[in-house]
Amino acid sequence: AQTVTQSQPEMSVQEAETVTLSCTYDTSESDYYLFWYKQPPSRQMILVIRQEAYKQQNATENRFSVNFQKAAKSFSLKISDSQLGDAAMYFCAYRVPTSGTYKYIFGTGTRLKVLA
Amino acid sequence: KAGVTQTPRYLIKTRGQQVTLSCSPISGHRSVSWYQQTPGQGLQFLFEYFSETQRNKGNFPGRFSGRQFSNSRSEMNVSTLELGDSALYLCASSLGGTGRNEQFFGPGTRLTVL
Repeated sequence: AQTVTQSQPEMSVQEAETVTLSCTYDTSESDYYLFWYKQPPSRQMILVIRQEAYKQQNATENRFSVNFQKAAKSFSLKISDSQLGDAAMYFCAYRVPTSGTYKYIFGTGTRLKVLA
Repeated sequence: KAGVTQTPRYLIKTRGQQVTLSCSPISGHRSVSWYQQTPGQGLQFLFEYFSETQRNKGNFPGRFSGRQFSNSRSEMNVSTLELGDSALYLCASSLGGTGRNEQFFGPGTRLTVL
C-alpha cells in the first residue's frame, strides 16, 4: 500500500532554533516527487519544498531543507532559524504516476509550534 | 494571477441534505483535485478532473461526485449528508501535465453537518 507516515503529531521549537520534521513513505515506484506543504492557521496550503526522487542532492529553499534518504524511504524537513511565522501544520506528500495521471498521497500532518 | 478560489467558505447543513461546493482554478490550469481534510486523517483524495473528465478517483462512496466545466471550474457534490462528512474540503489546481507541476490549493470550504 502507498502510505505516508508522519510520526510526530506535534512539535515545538524555540524561535531562532532548528527543528526537523520526520516523514517516511512506502512506495514501489521509482519515479516520484516528494513535497512538504505548510498550512498556516488561515488554512491556505502552500508548497514549502519539493524533491525529485531521481535527484540525490537534497533540496533547499532558504531556511528550509530536506534530508532525502531514498533507500530508507525517508524525507525529513529541517527548518533553520525558526520564525513565529513558521507555526503551522506541515504535511508531507508524494506524487506517483498512475493510469496516465498522478496520485498524491498525504501524511496526517505535524503541527509545529514556535515559542517566542 | 489570482489564486485558487473556493465558495462558499463555510457551510452548515443537516443530515440527509445535499451540498455543492465550487472551485475556480488558477487561470490556465486544467487539472482540479478535491481533498477531504479531517483532524487525524490528513488529506484524503476524492477525485481529479482534467479537461472536463474525471481522471482519477479516491476511495469515497458514490455520494461524493464532481464535475468540471469547460472553463476548468469544478464543483463537488455530496448527497445524503452524514455527520462524518463534516470536514474541510480543499480544492487544488495544477497545469495538469507531467513533470514538476505542483498543486496550488484553495482556502477550503468548511462543511459542518448537524
